[in-house]
Amino acid sequence: EAAVTQSPRSKVAVTGGKVTLSCHQTNNHDYMYWYRQDTGHGLRLIHYSYVADSTEKGDIPDGYKASRPSQENFSLILELASLSQTAVYFCASSDRGSGNTLYFGEGSRLIVV
Amino acid sequence: QQKVQQSPESLIVPEGAMTSLNCTFSDSASQYFAWYRQHSGKAPKALMSIFSNGEKEEGRFTIHLNKASLHFSLHIRDSQPSDSALYLCAVSMQGGRALIFGTGTTVSVSP
Repeated sequence: EAAVTQSPRSKVAVTGGKVTLSCHQTNNHDYMYWYRQDTGHGLRLIHYSYVADSTEKGDIPDGYKASRPSQENFSLILELASLSQTAVYFCASSDRGSGNTLYFGEGSRLIVV
Repeated sequence: QQKVQQSPESLIVPEGAMTSLNCTFSDSASQYFAWYRQHSGKAPKALMSIFSNGEKEEGRFTIHLNKASLHFSLHIRDSQPSDSALYLCAVSMQGGRALIFGTGTTVSVSP
């Protein structure tokens, strides 16, 4: 089965600090995604990428940057963390885009204090 | 911008009953429709998907799609306690590169 691993799995950050969430996939998938989930709610798309060295904005990109240095790795960067960015962040990968199954990592729980 | 809504927000069903979940979308050009299930504290996992109008059955799960009504649904026959989870519908447009997810329905199956 597809393997997507995220790190860290949990983090407490201070307001105004920089946070980097990392994602690594071993599926040889072209597409990678970052979603945000607030407690008990659906997933909202932050950024995605379909090729290395290129990223695209999703529905809620403000306050987030993304980096895709290689096919396997996709990072989400919060330059100035804010209280409102407390959430669980999921990375996912898929083959050939959204008409195919997304394989999710186990999530990164971020608490900003 | 695509809007995807789910109803109800939550429901409780007795073990062995039918669970019915609804999803509406706003863009008539949508081409791909999927359901994901997320157990508490776990990652979302794909359940099933459909491209064309009509019905698709896989085991206890059935998906119905009516593009003209901008609506699709998931039905779970003989619901089990292990079906207790957050159910997420997702939609993408032709050529779309990302899935847009709904707000989620929390299902609790009582023994």
